[in-house]
Amino acid sequence: GAGVSQTPSNKVTEKGKYVELRCDPISGHTALYWYRQSLGQGPEFLIYFQGTGAADDSGLPNDRFFAVRPEGSVSTLKIQRTERGDSAVYLCASSSQGASSDTQYFGPGTRLTVL
Amino acid sequence: KQEVTQIPAALSVPEGENLVLNCSFTDSAIYNLQWFRQDPGKGLTSLLLIQSSQREQTSGRLNASLDKSSGRSTLYIAASQPGDSATYLCAVKGSARQLTFGSGTQLTVLP
Repeated sequence: GAGVSQTPSNKVTEKGKYVELRCDPISGHTALYWYRQSLGQGPEFLIYFQGTGAADDSGLPNDRFFAVRPEGSVSTLKIQRTERGDSAVYLCASSSQGASSDTQYFGPGTRLTVL
Repeated sequence: KQEVTQIPAALSVPEGENLVLNCSFTDSAIYNLQWFRQDPGKGLTSLLLIQSSQREQTSGRLNASLDKSSGRSTLYIAASQPGDSATYLCAVKGSARQLTFGSGTQLTVLP
């Protein structure tokens, strides 16, 4: 079946602009995660959804970052007033139920470049 | 706060060699540990997942071990091939549902 998909694959924007990154999880997966990966580093957790609600948003770096999942499937990560330090690969993952034993399946990521 | 460290940061070996990648974590209260592979410009592919109650998992030429009490895991790759060249990431899951990753080991297998 289809895996996790993310769009766009690449996004170039100017400092101060607003961007939206989209994630389509595996069909039927109730848990969805966003991570951010800077060059040469491992992914860092941003936010976790169980269904439509954000169960844990402790990884969001500041209030310029926001994410939604209104129907419990597709999620959008929104970044306001982008800064050059926001440049990174944004990864989305989903898992069946979010249980501790579940495997997380990752999408290919969106590479965001802020000029 | 959980911290995950991977050593070495980079490794280059000739084809056919057996090799070991190391991962350590500071908080032993984990649910599971997962090894991923990441190819340049790509997402993460899960290789092996070890639950906290398990000691090791095997898949083909890969074997991962877990010593939870000492906060260590190793990924053993047998008979390495050029196609194994990639970055290997270790990640642990604690009481929160998210994964905490190491910075990875960049492996190059020379033909």
